[in-house]
Amino acid sequence: AQTVTQSQPEMSVQEAETVTLSCTYDTSESDYYLFWYKQPPSRQMILVIRQEAYKQQNATENRFSVNFQKAAKSFSLKISDSQLGDAAMYFCAYRIPGGSQGNLIFGKGTKLSVKP
Amino acid sequence: NAGVTQTPKFRILKIGQSMTLQCTQDMNHNYMYWYRQDPGMGLKLIYYSVGAGITDKGEVPNGYNVSRSTTEDFPLRLELAAPSQTSVYFCASSFSVGRSGNTIYFGEGSWLTVV
Repeated sequence: AQTVTQSQPEMSVQEAETVTLSCTYDTSESDYYLFWYKQPPSRQMILVIRQEAYKQQNATENRFSVNFQKAAKSFSLKISDSQLGDAAMYFCAYRIPGGSQGNLIFGKGTKLSVKP
Repeated sequence: NAGVTQTPKFRILKIGQSMTLQCTQDMNHNYMYWYRQDPGMGLKLIYYSVGAGITDKGEVPNGYNVSRSTTEDFPLRLELAAPSQTSVYFCASSFSVGRSGNTIYFGEGSWLTVV
């Protein structure tokens, strides 16, 4: 069974600094997709970044980037120049073609606090 | 740009009551999903649909029913509400999984409390 593990229940970062959130996953598939979603107190699920497993290049979206290590099954999220608005729960998620028709498997989340 | 719209946003139910959470999407997505999120946890799949007239169970389907009569709508029915169904519910949609359709879009969530 596919699983997603986020080993850091809570993280804290100083405003303008850089923080890295960890995620590992377990799968026997070779073709899959990985995502980071942000969930602010409003509970809305906001897509931050996505990575296709067949791409070796790490995805980047403005201040957000990932370190995708396929062999190690690791998918960490780096947030640069942290802002107060980055404070939220962050969920790592995994998706394969076909499994429950593309269902997302979520980790338990990391709560990120940003200190002014 | 509405995306995925859920109603109601908040609801308090008494034990044994029934209700329907409504979900509609305007992105012409063929796949739709219902998730629930319990406190301190990630989301878990309740039911999903790959197109109008086709639905299937996810990881936690007990106590729920769904229907998909149109591409746009995917209502979730709670029968005989129980305190264990107190949760935040998310509707989501996507295209078929593939190179261009790998992102799932979420509604804003519906907070349900059963007392």
